[in-house]
Amino acid sequence: AQKVTQAQTEISVVEKEDVTLDCVYETRDTTYYLFWYKQPPSGELVFLIRRNSFDEQNEISGRYSWNFQKSTSSFNFTITASQVVDSAVYFCALIRNNAGNMLTFGGGTRLMVKP
Amino acid sequence: ETGVTQTPRHLVMGMTNKKSLKCEQHLGHNAMYWYKQSAKKPLELMFVYSLEERVENNSVPSRFSPECPNSSHLFLHLHTLQPEDSALYLCASSQAYFEASGANVLTFGAGSRLTVL
Repeated sequence: AQKVTQAQTEISVVEKEDVTLDCVYETRDTTYYLFWYKQPPSGELVFLIRRNSFDEQNEISGRYSWNFQKSTSSFNFTITASQVVDSAVYFCALIRNNAGNMLTFGGGTRLMVKP
Repeated sequence: ETGVTQTPRHLVMGMTNKKSLKCEQHLGHNAMYWYKQSAKKPLELMFVYSLEERVENNSVPSRFSPECPNSSHLFLHLHTLQPEDSALYLCASSQAYFEASGANVLTFGAGSRLTVL
């Protein structure tokens, strides 16, 4: 069975600080997909990124960047120069290949960015 | 309208009531999902429908009854609920349920916040 662990339940930073959200996963599959979703106070989960297990290149999208390391089974998410609008719960998730589109979610990290 | 729409956004019901949650997607997707989000637990998958057929039922109590009359609509019928069923119920959709060469992105609705008294 697969498992996703987000050890940080809550993080509080001051605006403009950089912050990294950790994600560690467990799976026996060699092919799998990792995701990050953002859940703002409005409730809906907003897709941020999908990465397959064969692509270990780091990705940058504006102030967001992701560091995927298979050697440590981690897929960490960094927000640079955080803003108040980044305040949300962030979820890391995993889908096994060829097993249906079922996400296994981590417990989420609540990020609070204070002005 | 675009995306995934859930109604009602908030629902309070007694343990003997019968109510339904509704989900509608305008994305042309073929798979729809119900997730439960409780305060102290990770997001739990409840049901999955693919092309209007139920493909997953994750040991959900029978007091939750899903219905998918067409690929755009998904319902969750509720009856004889317990206070521990109070949670945020999230609906999602994706292009397909089974994708041999990849994994589809799920698009979520804003959820229905259920309180059982």
